[in-house]
Amino acid sequence: AQSVTQLGSHVSVSEGALVLLRCNYSSSVPPYLFWYVQYPNQGLQLLLKYTSAATLVKGINGFEAEFKKSETSFHLTKPSAHMSDAAEYFCAVGTATGANSKLTFGKGITLSVRP
Amino acid sequence: GAGVSQSPSNKVTEKGKDVELRCDPISGHTALYWYRQSLGQGLEFLIYFQGNSAPDKSGLPSDRFSAERTGGSVSTLTIQRTQQEDSAVYLCASSSRGLAGGRNEQFFGPGTRLTVL
Repeated sequence: AQSVTQLGSHVSVSEGALVLLRCNYSSSVPPYLFWYVQYPNQGLQLLLKYTSAATLVKGINGFEAEFKKSETSFHLTKPSAHMSDAAEYFCAVGTATGANSKLTFGKGITLSVRP
Repeated sequence: GAGVSQSPSNKVTEKGKDVELRCDPISGHTALYWYRQSLGQGLEFLIYFQGNSAPDKSGLPSDRFSAERTGGSVSTLTIQRTQQEDSAVYLCASSSRGLAGGRNEQFFGPGTRLTVL
């Protein structure tokens, strides 16, 4: 079984400030980890993914995330927030084993960026 | 190339009616997924199709929900005798499947917003 915990439902930062969105996972097998972003009235778009290569993963739009096995975490960061980063962010965990490659998503975090 | 498309984009129906939601995956993608997104609940997995294998229906919430995928491409999610708690955004995703299916990115459609009155 696998699960994802995203603490808090809403994060607000000032434009130019550090963005930190937390994600902790639980998985009985080595996980694959993903961050998706959803802009209003749109589908989900992949930001970045961890698939057992480098533990520090760089994604689109200046985002990156670090896989920390000891902490079972995959927090998403961006050094300087932009107004266009306002969206909902979902962390997800998948596994490589078996035929079922469905993702288990967290409940999402809404990011607001203040001018 | 075209992404995942879903129709209709919005559907309003009356309690007790049946609805059909359609998903056109990216051409060549063998895996197709349906999720339900309810306010404050994140994404809930519903069903997964992979090639000609039997679908994984483990996420369907009740026997009122069913889905099929014809010819390995288009999929239809059917909800019979809709209830108000079925109101949500229904998202479809597709992916190519390599040796380790779980690592492959899922590409999402824009969703169908279902409102049951």
